[in-house]
Parts: sequence; C-alpha cells; structure tokens
Amino acid sequence: EDQVTQSPEALRLQEGESSSLNCSYTVSGLRGLFWYRQDPGKGPEFLFTLYSAGEEKEKERLKATLTKKESFLHITAPKPEDSATYLCAVHPSKTSYDKVIFGPGTSLSVIP
Amino acid sequence: SAVISQKPSRDICQRGTSLTIQCQVDSQVTMMFWYRQQPGQSLTLIATANQGSEATYESGFVIDKFPISRPNLTFSTLTVSNMSPEDSSIYLCSVDWGGEQYFGPGTRLTVT
Repeated sequence: EDQVTQSPEALRLQEGESSSLNCSYTVSGLRGLFWYRQDPGKGPEFLFTLYSAGEEKEKERLKATLTKKESFLHITAPKPEDSATYLCAVHPSKTSYDKVIFGPGTSLSVIP
Repeated sequence: SAVISQKPSRDICQRGTSLTIQCQVDSQVTMMFWYRQQPGQSLTLIATANQGSEATYESGFVIDKFPISRPNLTFSTLTVSNMSPEDSSIYLCSVDWGGEQYFGPGTRLTVT
C-alpha cells in the first residue's frame, strides 16, 4: 500500500537554528514528490516538486532533496515567519489520474 | 499558478442539514479535487472531478453523502449532505496545474 510518513511530528527551533524535516515514502513507483507549507486556517501553499533521486530545489531558506526512499526539507537559519505545518505528498506512478497521497505533516515553531 | 477561491470561507450548520461549497478557478483546468482535513490531521482526498463526467470517489466516501458537480472547466461544487458533527472539518478544493496541485483557502465547517 502506498504510504507517506513524516518526522518529527513537531519541531521547535530557536531563530537561526538550522534543521531538517524528513518525509519517507513507500510507493510502487514515484511520479513526483511535493512539499507544501500550510498556515493555520489556510490552504496548503505549494513549495517544491521533486521528480528523481538526487534532485534538489531551493527557495529562500528552504532546500528540498530527494533519495529513492525519502525526502528532506532543510531549513537554514529559520525565522519566526517560517513557523507553519510542512506537508509532504507523493504522486504514485501507478495511478491513472493525478491523485497525490499526503503525509501527516510536521508542525514547525521558530522561537525568536 | 492557478488562483482558486472558495465560498463560503466558513459556516456553522445544524445536524441533518446540507451545505454546498463552491470552488472557482481563474483558469480552465481538466481535473479538480476535493479534500477533507479534519482537526489536527492531514489531507484526505474525497473525490476527483472531471468536467463532463461523474466524479471518482475514494474509499470511504460516497456520492449520496458528498455529491459533486462540475458544470464547466473553472467551477465545481461539493455538497455535504445530512451533516453530523463528524463532518466538522476544513474542506479544500484543488486543481492540477502543470503537474503541481494548487489549493484554495478552504471552507471551515462546524456542525452542531
């Protein structure tokens, strides 16, 4: 069964303290992996798409990387405005339509 | 990216009633998706809606409870029927845009 897990469930960082969030996935074939940011009371905001192992994408303080079994979202020198829930999702290649499977998310708090 | 709006943004409804949620996209899209996000949880796909055909429902979701309309390429509705307190959730509309999914702001539903 296709599955996505994320760790840690919650992460509390001091401002400027870099860290990484993990997304592990089990799918029969990967068409793409997505990272989203979700603020309370809002819909998820698209961040990155990764398609193949070894690929990296960067945006401001965020960098996403992909291996054959997992993805990492690295946050460098975070600021309080980076506080949000970060969601990982995968698009299995076996599906005939564009269904994605979401992980449970990591709730990030950055303390000034 | 596609810009998505939803109406209403929130509602409080009585048990046994129905609510129709509207989703409007600023561009024509083939596929639209409806998700549910229960308190403190990640996103669960309810159904996929193609214009001109019946919606495809995920396991655990049925058309009698969540009827969907897709009258054209920029609009869809989701109805939550015969509501119970267990239906209290955020309901999100999303579209596939160039292989990436973009989300609306969500509709926060509370059933009393």
